Amino acid sequence: EAGVAQSPRYKIIEKRQSVAFWCNPISGHATLYWYQQILGQGPKLLIQFQNNGVVDDSQLPKDRFSAERLKGVDSTLKIQPAKLEDSAVYLCASSSPKPGGYHGYTFGSGTRLTVV
Amino acid sequence: LAKTTQPISMDSYEGQEVNITCSHNNIATNDYITWYQQFPSQGPRFIIQGYKTKVTNEVASLFIPADRKSSTLSLPRVSLSDTAVYYCLVGDPSFSGGYNKLIFGAGTRLAVHP
Repeated sequence: EAGVAQSPRYKIIEKRQSVAFWCNPISGHATLYWYQQILGQGPKLLIQFQNNGVVDDSQLPKDRFSAERLKGVDSTLKIQPAKLEDSAVYLCASSSPKPGGYHGYTFGSGTRLTVV
Repeated sequence: LAKTTQPISMDSYEGQEVNITCSHNNIATNDYITWYQQFPSQGPRFIIQGYKTKVTNEVASLFIPADRKSSTLSLPRVSLSDTAVYYCLVGDPSFSGGYNKLIFGAGTRLAVHP
């Protein structure tokens, strides 16, 4: 099966500018996640969608970050305005129930954001 | 959600067996233990998952003692390409509504040397 697609692969912006990331999950995966991974740290969950509804966005800095998943498929994550500390890799993952109850996560390759 | 503790880093040499132990003292009854591998510039990749005793696949083995408060990922005969960060996570996969989420710690940085 095709993997999780993310774009762009890299992005460099100045602070206070806006940026958007796009994710296309594996076909049929109802659950979609956005993670932020700062250099040297493990991924941190920002937001989780079930179909097109938000399940958990408790770690999303809502004053500057927003995310949507229209029609329960593709998703976009936006930052406006960006700060220097937003420099990180933004990972998208999707999952779906499997026989036996294991919900495997499949991650995309991520978007590396550099804010200067 | 159960918290996990792993060594920050480990070093090994090609051809050796590597064992990475993870502590999860507060693991819940329905939690499974899952290990992910992450190479630079890539997203984490599933390696193995287990609930108790021993699980083996083509990549690794996972040993879980009876009390389930720890687990050990075993990589047989590592090569240079096994140099990566390894994450241990615990979580309940038996939900029906997709409301589970995996919480990553800092992981273990494994360096394999020639």
